[in-house]
Amino acid sequence: DIVMTQSPDSLAVSLGERATINCKSSQSLLWNSNNKNYLAWYQQKPGQPPKLLIYWASTRESGVPDRFSGSGSGTDFTLAISSLQAEDVAVYYCQQYYGAPPYTFGQGTKLEIK
Amino acid sequence: EVQLLESGGGLVQPGGSLRLSCAASGFSFSTYAMSWVRQAPGKGLEWVSDISDSGARTNYKESVKGRFTISRDNYKNTLYLQMNSLRAEDTAIYYCAKDRVAARTMNFHFDSWGQGTLVTVSS
Repeated sequence: DIVMTQSPDSLAVSLGERATINCKSSQSLLWNSNNKNYLAWYQQKPGQPPKLLIYWASTRESGVPDRFSGSGSGTDFTLAISSLQAEDVAVYYCQQYYGAPPYTFGQGTKLEIK
Repeated sequence: EVQLLESGGGLVQPGGSLRLSCAASGFSFSTYAMSWVRQAPGKGLEWVSDISDSGARTNYKESVKGRFTISRDNYKNTLYLQMNSLRAEDTAIYYCAKDRVAARTMNFHFDSWGQGTLVTVSS
């Protein structure tokens, strides 16, 4: 199975500042035939189901604010929030969907306000 | 608007069974693969099982193979998860989740989730 490891486990960022979360996969998620990285990011607020933010490592889901961006390729990926808002407090997960199941998630990164 | 509504969770003894349901609306259910994803209390997300749009293809997490069965009724727009021989480690919120793209057979990621149903396995 592909192992997804996020860092840090938690971070605290001041309102208006930039937050970055890293995700590393145990094998490349880049499919050479279409040059796409099979990596998604989700946001989960307390008591709510996850919400899809980013897919193909960098494509923002419809309706997601443009302060959220995804980058990276191969085995190393980053989710960035350019200017942290109070409503961004949540746990963030990366998920790989390369090939057949099992589809695996990172352990999560808890984002708080400093 | 896509809506997914899970039901069927509850408290069950180790070795017992439960059947979860997920009623779908707001999209063409029969054209999308569906999955079950679980989350143990205070823990992260774990994919459990998926089923193709027609129901012909299914996949399972290794630890639930032979115990869980995923199915769907495209006439009733409903997804199911039959869980047998339940263990304490199956305790979790179970979410049903819709694949983002229609008619795919793999590479699933999830653009819609239900609110989840809690399964507690304890004596």
